Amino acid sequence: GESVGLHLPTLSVQEGDNSIINCAYSNSASDYFIWYKQESGKGPQFIIDIRSNMDKRQGQRVTVLLNKTVKHLSLQIAATQPGDSAVYFCAESPPDTGRRALTFGSGTRLQVQP
Amino acid sequence: NAGVTQTPKFRVLKTGQSMTLLCAQDMNHEYMYWYRQDPGMGLRLIHYSVGEGTTAKGEVPDGYNVSRLKKQNFLLGLESAAPSQTSVYFCASTGTNYNEQFFGPGTRLTVL
Repeated sequence: GESVGLHLPTLSVQEGDNSIINCAYSNSASDYFIWYKQESGKGPQFIIDIRSNMDKRQGQRVTVLLNKTVKHLSLQIAATQPGDSAVYFCAESPPDTGRRALTFGSGTRLQVQP
Repeated sequence: NAGVTQTPKFRVLKTGQSMTLLCAQDMNHEYMYWYRQDPGMGLRLIHYSVGEGTTAKGEVPDGYNVSRLKKQNFLLGLESAAPSQTSVYFCASTGTNYNEQFFGPGTRLTVL
């Protein structure tokens, strides 16, 4: 399956640079905020999540920042590599499904230039 | 482990035809989901299931039905396909961490 949309916002970075992908979320009551990565022809893959009572969480080469004041979420990728080229989706876990379902954003395409 | 598998990978239907998409997972996950993905729209939840024999509506359930007769399988049915249902359909499952959904490879469906 393909996820590539014709009109997705695109971020182009040089290999080795840091990337910052941004997302605005809608539901202030969501308990968790999550980032997924979707490579061409594949299903989305979980990257990292952050609980609503935190403002920063780090993983391997990735950092997620949460600003609840302005309902903003960002994903920072350190030393971006060609394998990071993909579409990145933010998602939130709204309370009305008991956290069992996620609401996904529309995605940002990351292109890594060699 | 195969993870999450979907059958078929591609399908072309004529308006009014019916079909069933099959999702299977071998991770003993309780929760399973069906999404559709349209260009520029991200993933939208159609239906989901929190356990064998249970289903619930998501964001865009109209025109679809689902069944979860066995824990490992989640079926998505289209009774009378319409061109608006042309999309890529993804199945997912999750275990104890609700945030980490495991996705299948997708089914590309075209309705003429």
